[in-house]
Amino acid sequence: GQQLNQSPQSMFIQEGEDVSMNCTSSSIFNTWLWYKQEPGEGPVLLIALYKAGELTSNGRLTAQFGITRKDSFLNISASIPSDVGIYFCAGRFPGSDKIIFGKGTRLHILP
Amino acid sequence: KAGVTQTPRYLIKTRGQQVTLSCSPISGHRSVSWYQQTPGQGLQFLFEYFSETQRNKGNFPGRFSGRQFSNSRSEMNVSTLELGDSALYLCASSILTEDGYTFGSGTRLTVV
Repeated sequence: GQQLNQSPQSMFIQEGEDVSMNCTSSSIFNTWLWYKQEPGEGPVLLIALYKAGELTSNGRLTAQFGITRKDSFLNISASIPSDVGIYFCAGRFPGSDKIIFGKGTRLHILP
Repeated sequence: KAGVTQTPRYLIKTRGQQVTLSCSPISGHRSVSWYQQTPGQGLQFLFEYFSETQRNKGNFPGRFSGRQFSNSRSEMNVSTLELGDSALYLCASSILTEDGYTFGSGTRLTVV
């Protein structure tokens, strides 16, 4: 079925390090979304991307919509303890309102 | 402005029972989607409503149903509950489906 492959599944990094995660699909999307979820809460939208090649930043977060429209990455620079959580990518199919999600990248930050 | 409100936050039900979950979207948001989140499967799309019409449906059995009211509030119902239905059920709303969703905090359903 339709799915997004998100990697890595989990990451253990030192505070201050940069983080990179990505999503790939065999399908083309016309929107890529990146969310963060903290324990006991719903996912919160971090960045939305609408055009192939688009590079968008939100503070220390940067995301790009891949040229092929089949992939996207999220980078976090100079990680801090509050970056801990699960990061989800999501994609919307062309001509559809349906959004599907990757399985998430769980980010752990070591002191 | 108020966010997406889901009630109840926690629910414990017995196998075979049915349950109704409620979602009040952000004022002015007409699109409401529902997702099931489990540790093994991540976020699985259930259905999406826009102006009281179901526009998309995921691959869930007919025991899972939903509806949307004229004020955009939505409910989902699960009948004949099974242990595997234990999950966090998330509702999300948007002004237009071209936008990203705003999620509620979810309803944690436990089936015993």
